[in-house]
Amino acid sequence: DVKVTQSSRYLVKRTGEKVFLECVQDMDHENMFWYRQDPGLGLRLIYFSYDVKMKEKGDIPEGYSVSREKKERFSLILESASTNQTSMYLCASSGGATGFDFGSGTQLSVL
Amino acid sequence: RKEVEQDPGPFNVPEGATVAFNCTYSNSASQSFFWYRQDCRKEPKLLMSVYSSGNEDGRFTAQLNRASQYISLLIRDSKLSDSATYLCVVNRQGSNYQLIWGAGTKLIIKP
Repeated sequence: DVKVTQSSRYLVKRTGEKVFLECVQDMDHENMFWYRQDPGLGLRLIYFSYDVKMKEKGDIPEGYSVSREKKERFSLILESASTNQTSMYLCASSGGATGFDFGSGTQLSVL
Repeated sequence: RKEVEQDPGPFNVPEGATVAFNCTYSNSASQSFFWYRQDCRKEPKLLMSVYSSGNEDGRFTAQLNRASQYISLLIRDSKLSDSATYLCVVNRQGSNYQLIWGAGTKLIIKP
């Protein structure tokens, strides 16, 4: 089974803080994704990566950046956290077009 | 119009009943279709892919209607453990990796 691990299950930060969300997958997948999920909305793609050091903007990249220095690790960075970034953040990994495997999510609260 | 639309529910269904729900999508060029299941406060997990000819996996049947641009999920002999939110997922035109997620249909199975 693919294992996708997110570093924190719950996180509380203050407005203006820099926040790092880490995601590691152990199946040598090339494709990794960061989503956020809010009540009543579908998952929305923030950024994705097809390869090491490669990144592409998703639908809602504003206020976020990413880093993929190693194939197994994909980090999401909130440069200056704001209250509207309070959300569930989900990392996913995919080796092909047949579906994604997700980490257990990070519930981020920005106060 | 949303790219992927689902009835949010909840659908309250007695145990043992059959339940079906649909999902409509706007992009006629979409080629990949999936149903994911998400339990409360958990990550989405792939339930099944949806193939053009329809497909079945145990008590679950998925169908695709390209002419009317919807996919459906039918659950027979529903179990208490089927209670979850079911997410409809469609690929974005021209990409196998960029997926568009519905907001989900909540299903509650009652004893």
